[in-house]
Amino acid sequence: AIRMTQSPSSFSASTGDRVTITCRASQGISSYLAWYQQKPGKAPKLLIYAASTLQSGVPSRFSGSGSGTDFTLTISCLQSEDFATYYCQQYYSYPPYTFGQGTKLEIK
Amino acid sequence: QVQLQESGPGLVKPSQTLSLTCTVSGGSISSGSYYWSWIRQPAGKGLEWIGRIYTSGSTNYNPSLKSRVTISVDTSKNQFSLKLSSVTAADTAVYYCARDENYYAHWGQGTLVTVSS
Repeated sequence: AIRMTQSPSSFSASTGDRVTITCRASQGISSYLAWYQQKPGKAPKLLIYAASTLQSGVPSRFSGSGSGTDFTLTISCLQSEDFATYYCQQYYSYPPYTFGQGTKLEIK
Repeated sequence: QVQLQESGPGLVKPSQTLSLTCTVSGGSISSGSYYWSWIRQPAGKGLEWIGRIYTSGSTNYNPSLKSRVTISVDTSKNQFSLKLSSVTAADTAVYYCARDENYYAHWGQGTLVTVSS
């Protein structure tokens, strides 16, 4: 199985900050990567697929980049509703599809 | 807008079989070229892909669970189901169903299944 490793596992930031989360795949996955946001008690919400394509309805302050093994999710100007846990997921190879361990973004 | 809803027992005894159903509304489960997946999340932990089914009945399972998992579909009821046998406390988790486009834009709200005697 392809292993997805996110960094950092958690960090704190302030509203208005620009933040970047990294996801690294254990082998090349081309651009077959998605990003999700999850809030407590809720299902994950798809933010980005194909590494950089913004899901309909997702604010443009979210962006994704990368290909191969290294990917980033950037939030350009943090809003209060962005404090959540973020996951990456590869869909290059299955079974199984695999997720990163998550990055918890907390308010500073 | 497609919606998914999980249902099933919230408590299962060790060694027994966990059974959940996902009801799809807002569209036919047979329309479009979609798989239908199960994903779980233990409390405070990450997401684990369990497996998926196409409406033809074709399935893919996580190798780590394959010996214990069965996913089936009932197109007449617009439902798909998960059975996980020989459960242990390690199977305690929130179980989600989702529409599989290789990534997941549509999820159920999740249902907590606790394995305990």
